[in-house]
Amino acid sequence: EAGVAQSPRYKIIEKRQSVAFWCNPISGHATLYWYQQILGQGPKLLIQFQNNGVVDDSQLPKDRFSAERLKGVDSTLKIQPAKLEDSAVYLCASSRDRGRIYTFGSGTRLTVV
Amino acid sequence: GENVEQHPSTLSVQEGDSAVIKCTYSDSASNYFPWYKQELGKGPQLIIDIRSNVGEKKDQRIAVTLNKTAKHFSLHITETQPEDSAVYFCAASKDRDDKIIFGKGTRLHILP
Repeated sequence: EAGVAQSPRYKIIEKRQSVAFWCNPISGHATLYWYQQILGQGPKLLIQFQNNGVVDDSQLPKDRFSAERLKGVDSTLKIQPAKLEDSAVYLCASSRDRGRIYTFGSGTRLTVV
Repeated sequence: GENVEQHPSTLSVQEGDSAVIKCTYSDSASNYFPWYKQELGKGPQLIIDIRSNVGEKKDQRIAVTLNKTAKHFSLHITETQPEDSAVYFCAASKDRDDKIIFGKGTRLHILP
């Protein structure tokens, strides 16, 4: 089966600019997750979707981050405006029916300068 | 909420030797413990997992052990090979909450 697709692979922006990341999960996976991985740390959950509904966004900085999952398939994560501390790899993962077997994409490496 | 501690942060072993990575968790309700391997430029990949009703699980050169009483679990890699060089993450999760909480990772170097 095809893996989790993410784009772009790399992005460099200036602080206060906006940026968007895209994720296409594995076909048939109802649950989609966005994680933030700061250099040298483990992934931290930002938001979890079940189909097109939000299950958990308690760790999402809602003043600047937003995410949507249209039609329960693809998802976008947006940051506006970006701060220096948002520099990280943004990982998308999916799983079947809220199962705990995750498949991760390769991530988008964001550098804010 | 759950907190997962992992150590060491860096580990270097000679090729052919064994490597052990240890983790502790705080929430006694956690009952699922996966291990992920992350290679440079890639997302984490599940390599093995264990559930709380099992004390040990093996898959070829990789084994995981779980001590529920002490709330710690470990990853053992035997006969290490160059391709084992990567960052390894332990994680914990519980039935009522399918979020996975990750440790900070161990960078494993296999020395020739």
